[in-house]
Formats: sequence, structure tokens, C-alpha cells
Amino acid sequence: DVKVTQSSRYLVKRTGEKVFLECVQDMDHENMFWYRQDPGLGLRLIYFSYDVKMKEKGDIPEGYSVSREKKERFSLILESASTNQTSMYLCASSMTGKGDTQYFGPGTRLTVL
Amino acid sequence: KNQVEQSPQSLIILEGKNCTLQCNYTVSPFSNLRWYKQDTGRGPVSLTIMTFSENTKSNGRYTATLDADTKQSSLHITASQLSDSASYICVVSAIPGGTALIFGKGTTLSVSS
Repeated sequence: DVKVTQSSRYLVKRTGEKVFLECVQDMDHENMFWYRQDPGLGLRLIYFSYDVKMKEKGDIPEGYSVSREKKERFSLILESASTNQTSMYLCASSMTGKGDTQYFGPGTRLTVL
Repeated sequence: KNQVEQSPQSLIILEGKNCTLQCNYTVSPFSNLRWYKQDTGRGPVSLTIMTFSENTKSNGRYTATLDADTKQSSLHITASQLSDSASYICVVSAIPGGTALIFGKGTTLSVSS
């Protein structure tokens, strides 16, 4: 079974703090994604990566950056957390050419105070 | 504009009853359509995937249909169980590769005893 793990299930940070969300997948997938999910808005793509050290902006990249130094790991960084970044963050991975099914992690509920 | 609209927004049914969730999309070009199930506090899990040439796909008590001409899909749940309580998300892929997914906002299903 594909396994996507996220470093924290719940996280509470203060405004202005730098926040790191880590995601690891164990199936050698090329593609990795970061989404945020908010009530009434559904999932929105923040950033994705199709290879090590490669990244592409999604629909809402402002206020976020990412890092992919190793194939299995994709990090989401909030340089200076703000209250409007309080959300559920979901990481996903997929293999190119396999019907592009995305496998999701359990999510990180981030609260910025 | 590529969009995926789901209805109803929420639904409450009694255990053992059947229900049907709807998904209309205006995505072009079209590659495939997926239904995901997301339990509360968890990441989404893929239930079914259908390409342009497929008009029905089953996964246990879940049956998805696709009408590519009218750009409509439905997810039918038979003999509902309490464990079916979740959010169901319709996702359309514009091109193969997994990086151009358009998400619906989901239908929240509550099954009561």
C-alpha cells in the first residue's frame, strides 16, 4: 500500500513564526503536492513538484514556499505565518503515467494564533 | 473556466437507504473523473476512476456513472452504512499527469441509525 505521512496531525503556531510542514511518501512517486482545505472552498493546490528540486506554483502559492531535496520528501514552508493560513494542509503523491491517482496523507490541522 | 460543481452540498439519510450524489463539470480537455471519499480528519481516498470511454464503474456498494456528452457524473451508494458518513469529492483531470486536477467542493453525507 502507498503510504503518505505528514509530520504532525495538529500544529499551533503564533503569527510571524516560520512553519515547516513535512511530507514523506514511500512509493517512489515522481509527483508530490501540497493542498489546503477550507470549509466551503474545497481543496486548493498550493504547490506541486514533479521531480527532485523542481517545483511549480499551484493556484494559491502566495505566502508559501516548498522544498524537495529528496524524491520521497516534500516540505511546505510558511515564512511568516498569518492567521489566514489557519487551515487543514494535505500532502499527496502520484506516479506519472499511472492514471495520475493521487494518494493523500492524513493532513495537518494548522492553527495560527 | 474549468469548474466542478457538486450537489447536494450535504445529505442526511437513514442507514440501509440508497443515495445518489451528483457532479457536473465544465472541464476541457477531459482526461478522467474520480470520486474520492474523505472521512472526518483524514485525507481523501480514491473510490473510482473513469475515463472518457467508460460510463460506469463499481467499487463494492459504490457505483459511479459518467455521461461525457452532458458532462455529468453520479455516485450511487447502495444499502448505506454508518461508515459511509464522509465527504465525497468529485475530481476531474484535464490532462493526464495528475497536475491539472479540478476539485469539486464535496458533498457531506451523514448516515444515521
